Amino acid sequence: DIQLTQSPSFLSASVGDRVTITCRASQGISSYLAWYQEELGKAPKLLIYGASTLQSGVPSRFSGSGSGTEFTLTINNLQAEDFAIYYCQQVNNYPYTFGQGTKLEIK
Amino acid sequence: QVHLVQSGAEVKKPGASVKVSCTASGYDVTRYYLHWVRQAPGHGLEWMAIINLNEGMSSYAQKFQDRVTLTRDTSTSTVFMELTSLRSEDTAVYYCARGGKYSNYWGQGTLVTVSS
Repeated sequence: DIQLTQSPSFLSASVGDRVTITCRASQGISSYLAWYQEELGKAPKLLIYGASTLQSGVPSRFSGSGSGTEFTLTINNLQAEDFAIYYCQQVNNYPYTFGQGTKLEIK
Repeated sequence: QVHLVQSGAEVKKPGASVKVSCTASGYDVTRYYLHWVRQAPGHGLEWMAIINLNEGMSSYAQKFQDRVTLTRDTSTSTVFMELTSLRSEDTAVYYCARGGKYSNYWGQGTLVTVSS
């Protein structure tokens, strides 16, 4: 199975900040990577697919980059509603594994 | 619009089985896959399995290979996820999600509690 390692696991930031979350894959997955946002008690929300394509309706302050084994999710100008947990997921090979998650907290 | 509606919460004893349903509407279900993902309390997301609703073919994470079965009823656009030999570690919210590869529509989640 392909393992995804996210860093950091916890991130403290303020409204207006820019933050970056990294996801590293144990083997190359081309650009078959998604980023999801999870809020307490809600189903995950797809933010980015294909490593860098913004899902329709997602604010442009979210962006993704990378290919192969290293990927990043960047959130510019953090808003209050962005404080949540973020997961990467590879969809190159079954099983479609997730990273362990990054909890973004308000400083 | 696309909707995925899951069956209600379940409480099961260790060793029992649970069958969770996911009924899709608002799109041609035979053109998409359905994923199953779970989240145990205090833990992250865990991908379990996927089914092709057109052919009925499924693929399972090896961790669940011996205990999970996905079936479909195309007449009602419903997919069923059955998990057997339940243990306390299976206590989780189970989600279905529409694929291809990426899941932009999710069910509301079904809480399965395994407790003696």
